[in-house]
Amino acid sequence: QVQLQESGPGLVKTSQTLSLTCTVSGGSISNGDYYWSWIRQSPGKGLEWIGYIYYSGGTDYNPSLKSRLTMSLDTSKNQFSLNLRSVTAADTAMYYCGGQDTALVAVVIWGQGTPVTVST
Amino acid sequence: QSALTQPPSASGSPGQSVTISCTGTSSDVGGYNYVSWYQQYPGKAPKLMIYEVSKRPSGVPDRFSGSKSGNTASLTVSGLQPEDDADYYCSSYAGSNNLIFGGGTKVTVL
Repeated sequence: QVQLQESGPGLVKTSQTLSLTCTVSGGSISNGDYYWSWIRQSPGKGLEWIGYIYYSGGTDYNPSLKSRLTMSLDTSKNQFSLNLRSVTAADTAMYYCGGQDTALVAVVIWGQGTPVTVST
Repeated sequence: QSALTQPPSASGSPGQSVTISCTGTSSDVGGYNYVSWYQQYPGKAPKLMIYEVSKRPSGVPDRFSGSKSGNTASLTVSGLQPEDDADYYCSSYAGSNNLIFGGGTKVTVL
């Protein structure tokens, strides 16, 4: 059973880069059944799809974040990562990594989430 | 792309039914049969409850059902149980390999 665990700093300064990593356990990141995804949830708000990276390295990003976003993966460590540049307070959120089933177009696996606060 | 529209709240007594709507456009909900619903408890990650409009993953009670008409999808919880008290989010494929979520609905079991 595939499990996901997010890691990264809980506090990022305004205008800096937010970097998070998701470790995949119980399965291989090279499993073509999933798009390895990031989703965030601002305090008291709804979910926002950030984007995903496929095992091939292909990516798709939310158009509203695309200019600041880079995703990558490290198959040797079974990890995938998110870098969000030039952050502001609006980027403060709980960040979830997820596995989006390529056939079902649904996020079937979720990490527990990691909170990130952007502050001066 | 704007978030899908959900009512902020819904409620029902144990044993009753509650239906939550999720309204989008012809570019997302109306254009594809890839609507999903997620249940989220406070402080927890979301859990997939419905995919492809009306299909249930293994282990999800058949009290949960989904449907779609035009640009609006719906989630119905029949025979409400206390454990159904949670937030529910819809999502839809929005073309160009993008997903879009709704703003969420708080379901209260009275």
